[in-house]
Amino acid sequence: QVQLVESGGGLVKPGGSLRLSCGGSGFSFSDYYMTWIRQAPGKGLEWISYIGNSGTNIYYADSVKGRFTISRDNAKNSLYLQMNSLRVEDTAVYYCARDPSPYGDYGWFDTWGQGTLVTVSS
Amino acid sequence: AIQLTQSPSSLSASVGDRITITCRASQGINSALAWYQQRPGKAPKLLIYDASSLESGVPSRFSGSGSGADFTLTISSLQPEDFATYYCQQFNSDPYSFGQGTKLEIK
Repeated sequence: QVQLVESGGGLVKPGGSLRLSCGGSGFSFSDYYMTWIRQAPGKGLEWISYIGNSGTNIYYADSVKGRFTISRDNAKNSLYLQMNSLRVEDTAVYYCARDPSPYGDYGWFDTWGQGTLVTVSS
Repeated sequence: AIQLTQSPSSLSASVGDRITITCRASQGINSALAWYQQRPGKAPKLLIYDASSLESGVPSRFSGSGSGADFTLTISSLQPEDFATYYCQQFNSDPYSFGQGTKLEIK
């Protein structure tokens, strides 16, 4: 079945870096736009970045622009989020999610991973 | 950036009740709205897309309506598994955004 699995979360100090990964299976990963969404503890959902199926169409929320970098390796069916200059307010569960439109961008998300927790604290 | 405001923020209801959650956008977004359900400790689940299209496998007691700036999610007869938090999300323009959520609790 269609599945996404995140990894790479953990505890990091303010100013530090972390790289999240998301592996896709059960579908043709290279055909789909992918997205990162986060949820701070006890808070709502925040969309933070998407990447087109070929990796050339990328967008970031203002809250992470210049600090986070989204990328993908279609040969490995993997999505990444490189997070630099981390702040306490970046503490959240990070989800990867799939846009259901092959080669395009519907804009909603039909498949989500289970999430990985990033804690930024000294 | 487009802001989405959900109301109410929380709601108490009983099994069998009909409930409606509202999502208002800060500007018109056509029908570019989705609804998600999130149970505690779980990832969100897509319910509705394009404001009123039911995602495959989602029970027909869920329905969505609206266009422009005002949207609603209706659950026609609440079941025990429906008590969760619900989020709307707009995809009319970048950056995409979510409402703050509506927590549906058992009365």
